[in-house]
Amino acid sequence: EDQVTQSPEALRLQEGESSSLNCSYTVSGLRGLFWYRQDPGKGPEFLFTLYSAGEEKEKERLKATLTKKESFLHITAPKPEDSATYLCAVQAMIKAAGNKLTFGGGTRVLVKP
Amino acid sequence: KAGVTQTPRYLIKTRGQQVTLSCSPISGHRSVSWYQQTPGQGLQFLFEYFSETQRNKGNFPGRFSGRQFSNSRSEMNVSTLELGDSALYLCASSLRGAFEQYFGPGTRLTVT
Repeated sequence: EDQVTQSPEALRLQEGESSSLNCSYTVSGLRGLFWYRQDPGKGPEFLFTLYSAGEEKEKERLKATLTKKESFLHITAPKPEDSATYLCAVQAMIKAAGNKLTFGGGTRVLVKP
Repeated sequence: KAGVTQTPRYLIKTRGQQVTLSCSPISGHRSVSWYQQTPGQGLQFLFEYFSETQRNKGNFPGRFSGRQFSNSRSEMNVSTLELGDSALYLCASSLRGAFEQYFGPGTRLTVT
């Protein structure tokens, strides 16, 4: 069974204090690993898709990387508006899985000014 | 381009009742997936529909069902509601052959 574990559960940062979030996964053939951001009371907002080990993607202060067993989301010089829950999800390669996403528990990030 | 829309946004029901939630995907998206989000279990996959056919189903009891219409709009139904069904129900859509899923704002269901 596919599994995703995110750490830490919560992260408190000062504005400008860079940090990394971890997503460890086991999946029966990885089709894609996804990062989402979720604000309270809202649906997850798509950030990145990573497909193969060694791949990196960037968007503003966020950078996602992928290895064969884990992914990291690096937040560089965060601002208060980066406060949110960051979710990691995997999609399996097998046809029977369809588009099913298996999510981790998320990391709640709070950036204080 | 309009995003995924879900109606209603909030719903309060009593145990034993049934409920129907609606989802309109992004224009051109033919795959619709449903997820349940609770504080204890996080985001869990319910089912996926593509071209009016259920393509995959998560580990939920038969009280949870869904369907998709020819215009790709989807509904999910929960019968005989239980207190534990209180959750945020999220709908996501994607293009055929693309893997990114875009989520709607969710329907907050409270069962009393």
